[in-house]
Amino acid sequence: ELKVEQNPLFLSMQEGKNYTIYCNYSTTSDRLYWYRQDPGKSLESLFVLLSNGAVKQEGRLMASLDTKARLSTLHITAAVHDLSATYFCAVDFLSSKLTFGTGTRLQVTL
Amino acid sequence: NAGVTQTPKFRVLKTGQSMTLLCAQDMNHEYMYWYRQDPGMGLRLIHYSVGEGTTAKGEVPDGYNVSRLKKQNFLLGLESAAPSQTSVYFCASSYTMGHQLTDTQYFGPGTRLTVL
Repeated sequence: ELKVEQNPLFLSMQEGKNYTIYCNYSTTSDRLYWYRQDPGKSLESLFVLLSNGAVKQEGRLMASLDTKARLSTLHITAAVHDLSATYFCAVDFLSSKLTFGTGTRLQVTL
Repeated sequence: NAGVTQTPKFRVLKTGQSMTLLCAQDMNHEYMYWYRQDPGMGLRLIHYSVGEGTTAKGEVPDGYNVSRLKKQNFLLGLESAAPSQTSVYFCASSYTMGHQLTDTQYFGPGTRLTVL
């Protein structure tokens, strides 16, 4: 069964601190995507990771992919309020479609 | 360039009524998808299409039908709506999946559907 699990499901972050969220998946794949969703809005693409060891960075967010461990991490550096949103990872199991995790809701507090 | 658009944005149906949701994209994408999003469950794929005239079932296809008569449009139909179909529906499109560095799915704004 194709499964994508994210943890934690909810993360309360203090401004200025660093955090990591995790995305585990059940079957071999070297294609993983991260999306952001603001409340009541659509999904916005953040990162596309297409090989083992891939690392992408955009501002305070950095995503990496370890295909051997079937694990992707999304690292947040010095959290700021603007990063409050729900983050989804999604995996392409070579089937022309994505399987999404249940999402991690990030809330940044002062 | 409007990207992915969805019609309507909101709809309230009574049990047993039918309706069609329209998704349109102007990016010349081959692949199109319909998802539903429910609290605590992420996005679940209903149906998808890898090209004009082709459709395939996703994870939760029961109670829905789709058609892709034109490359730029993907229609989702509910023949007899049920309260369990109350959800937010997202359409997405992409060139292909994973074959190019820029490949990703682009999402529409969503349709909020309530079935009473």
